[in-house]
Amino acid sequence: GAVVSQHPSRVICKSGTSVKIECRSLDFQATTMFWYRQFPKQSLMLMATSNEGSKATYEQGVEKDKFLINHASLTLSTLTVTSAHPEDSSFYICSARSPGRDTQYFGPGTRLTVL
Amino acid sequence: AQTVTQSQPEMSVQEAETVTLSCTYDTSESDYYLFWYKQPPSRQMILVIRQEAYKQQNATENRFSVNFQKAAKSFSLKISDSQLGDAAMYFCAYRRTQGGSEKLVFGKGTKLTVNP
Repeated sequence: GAVVSQHPSRVICKSGTSVKIECRSLDFQATTMFWYRQFPKQSLMLMATSNEGSKATYEQGVEKDKFLINHASLTLSTLTVTSAHPEDSSFYICSARSPGRDTQYFGPGTRLTVL
Repeated sequence: AQTVTQSQPEMSVQEAETVTLSCTYDTSESDYYLFWYKQPPSRQMILVIRQEAYKQQNATENRFSVNFQKAAKSFSLKISDSQLGDAAMYFCAYRRTQGGSEKLVFGKGTKLTVNP
């Protein structure tokens, strides 16, 4: 149990385009999902907390107009990187938590490369 | 604000031996959760073990156990009978239990190498 998937696993896009990353909880309902960014050889940096049916809460310094988060259902949250630039290239990881569980379960991550 | 410190950027262990990874944290809360996550080269974050602060008994999961010292705010991970598959980055994380954000606060990680 507690499986979280992400799609795509890798994406390469041109500068100026938008990219959507999906995060799904496969065997549980997730009222809360989290989006992280990880630079090489560094720890995870929380970008935002996504609650089903409400607006995401962004961490300080994260541009909410650039990183659009939608949590439209109890099993799906999406992160859209708008007008991507090379500095947005990174590894993006989502996690999900279900009601009554105190643990976050992580997706396998998405490697974004912006040319 | 809560902080998590992992003072060992890298550790190595011989296969079948035991290794302990250190983690300290700073908080004014009395109840919280502590976690160890493993990130192998695939970069999938995997939960290794979880400890609830109100429980005095140290958590154990097969070859993995913790030494939770609440007064000292220390939460070390012991890996017994180390296996090649244990090689990974290990992250210690903290989460408060009540109110406010549910977010995890991560340490910077310890890279564990297992030598055959």
